[in-house]
Amino acid sequence: GQQVMQIPQYQHVQEGEDFTTYCNSSTTLSNIQWYKQRPGGHPVFLIQLVKSGEVKKQKRLTFQFGEAKKNSSLHITATQTTDVGTYFCGLGNEKLTFGTGTRLTIIP
Amino acid sequence: EAQVTQNPRYLITVTGKKLTVTCSQNMNHEYMSWYRQDPGLGLRQIYYSMNVEVTDKGDVPEGYKVSRKEKRNFPLILESPSPNQTSLYFCASSFAFSRDQPQHFGDGTRLSIL
Repeated sequence: GQQVMQIPQYQHVQEGEDFTTYCNSSTTLSNIQWYKQRPGGHPVFLIQLVKSGEVKKQKRLTFQFGEAKKNSSLHITATQTTDVGTYFCGLGNEKLTFGTGTRLTIIP
Repeated sequence: EAQVTQNPRYLITVTGKKLTVTCSQNMNHEYMSWYRQDPGLGLRQIYYSMNVEVTDKGDVPEGYKVSRKEKRNFPLILESPSPNQTSLYFCASSFAFSRDQPQHFGDGTRLSIL
């Protein structure tokens, strides 16, 4: 299958700090999805990016699709305790393949 | 309420004892799939189904079976479970088999094989 690298694997931040996770593909993608999984929960769809260079925002979350459509990032501004969880990217190529996830923990 | 329902939520069993994890969705979705989630490995697809009576292997199908006799149901069968199948399992569904369709996940089934 295709290479799906998501970094970092873990991130611990102080509440109020920013957080970014990156998703990289070895191949050009048709689309990318982002999911959030709360501790003990299941992945929940957040957003989908389709266009080269696309940027979408959801309140404090900013999602970006790279110009070459091979990478994407999720940035959270001023983290809150409700942001705790694991963030997965889903890479759309021949099918949807999930990244390994970034686990975000927040120190109050 | 639109949802994907998995049962059981938790199961502890022994090596070799056949088990079935059920999955049902009420959204009339065509596409259903099973994933396993292990620390550091993310979500890996086991099997998927594009429609009734159409199933195919995902990335890690060894030791698993599935069936899709009805549109709403997609059970995962472990004929002879082994300890390396201890994991957290998720069923997911989407409107169609397409890379741009959001996946709806069930609450998960935590399996422990002793």
